Amino acid sequence: GAVVSQHPSWVICKSGTSVKIECRSLDFQATTMFWYRQFPKQSLMLMATSNEGSKATYEQGVEKDKFLINHASLTLSTLTVTSAHPEDSSFYICSASQGPPGLETQYFGPGTRLLVL
Amino acid sequence: AQTVTQSQPEMSVQEAETVTLSCTYDTSESNYYLFWYKQPPSRQMILVIRQEAYKQQNATENRFSVNFQKAAKSFSLKISDSQLGDTAMYFCAFMKLRDNDMRFGAGTRLTVKP
Repeated sequence: GAVVSQHPSWVICKSGTSVKIECRSLDFQATTMFWYRQFPKQSLMLMATSNEGSKATYEQGVEKDKFLINHASLTLSTLTVTSAHPEDSSFYICSASQGPPGLETQYFGPGTRLLVL
Repeated sequence: AQTVTQSQPEMSVQEAETVTLSCTYDTSESNYYLFWYKQPPSRQMILVIRQEAYKQQNATENRFSVNFQKAAKSFSLKISDSQLGDTAMYFCAFMKLRDNDMRFGAGTRLTVKP
């Protein structure tokens, strides 16, 4: 159980275009999902917390207008990188929280590699 | 703010031997969770082990065990009988009880040698 998928697994786009990444919890419902960014040989940096039915909470320094997050259902959150630029190239990972209150564990998707040309 | 420190960027161990990865953290919270995640070359993050701060007993999962020292804010991971498949990046992570968001250390790259 506790499987999280991401789509696409990799994407190449031209500078100035927008890219949408989907994160799905396959066998459980997740009221909270998280989006991380990971640069090569570095750790995961939390970008935002996505709550079903409400606005996402962004970490300091993350542009909410550039990284649009929508959590339309209990099993789906999307991250849209708007007007992508080469510096947005990175590995984006989502996670979904499962478990009773006070005992939550985050389960991670396989990640999406974004390359902006 | 919570910080997580992994002071060993790289480590190696011979197959079948034991290795310990270090992690320290800084927090003013009294209740929280600590995790070790493994990230193999596929880059899929895999939960290795979890520890609740209110539990004094160290968590164990098969060949993986932790040494949790709450007063020292230390949370090391011991891998016994190392296997080639254990080769990966290992991240220590901290999560506050209420917030549900996770903070990661910089990671330790472990190589298991045959």
